[in-house]
Amino acid sequence: DVKVTQSSRYLVKRTGEKVFLECVQDMDHENMFWYRQDPGLGLRLIYFSYDVKMKEKGDIPEGYSVSREKKERFSLILESASTNQTSMYLCASSPPGRRSYEQYFGPGTRLTVT
Amino acid sequence: RKEVEQDPGPFNVPEGATVAFNCTYSNSASQSFFWYRQDCRKEPKLLMSVYSSGNEDGRFTAQLNRASQYISLLIRDSKLSDSATYLCVVNVRNNNDMRFGAGTRLTVKP
Repeated sequence: DVKVTQSSRYLVKRTGEKVFLECVQDMDHENMFWYRQDPGLGLRLIYFSYDVKMKEKGDIPEGYSVSREKKERFSLILESASTNQTSMYLCASSPPGRRSYEQYFGPGTRLTVT
Repeated sequence: RKEVEQDPGPFNVPEGATVAFNCTYSNSASQSFFWYRQDCRKEPKLLMSVYSSGNEDGRFTAQLNRASQYISLLIRDSKLSDSATYLCVVNVRNNNDMRFGAGTRLTVKP
């Protein structure tokens, strides 16, 4: 079974703080993704990475950065957290090739910025 | 206009009922289509792909209508365990560019 883990289930941070969200997958997947999920808006892609040290912007990269130093780990960084970044953050990974549409998600991190 | 639109529901149906959800997409260049399922306070999981010819997986049937740009999911003989939010997912460029709908919530009642 693919396992995608995220460092925290719940996180509360103050405005202006730097926030790190960590994601680890154990299936040697090339592709990894960060989404945020908000009511009525669905999942929106923030960044994705198709290889170590490679990254591409998704739909809403502003205010975020990412790091992928090792294949199994993909980190999302909020450089200076703001209240509009309060959301559920979901990490996902997928295999390469024809089955790359099958994304495996972590349990999510509910971030509250006060 | 959102790229992928779904009726948010909720759909409340009795056990054993047949229920259908539609999803419309705006980009005619969309290439592939999927349904994901998300249980309450859990992560989304792939339910099934949607093929041009339509496809069935047990009690679940998915259909694609490219001309009208919508996909559908039909659930027959609903079970209590089918209660979840069903996410419509459309892929435009490649499998790294998936567009998720906001989901349709289904509650199956005894």
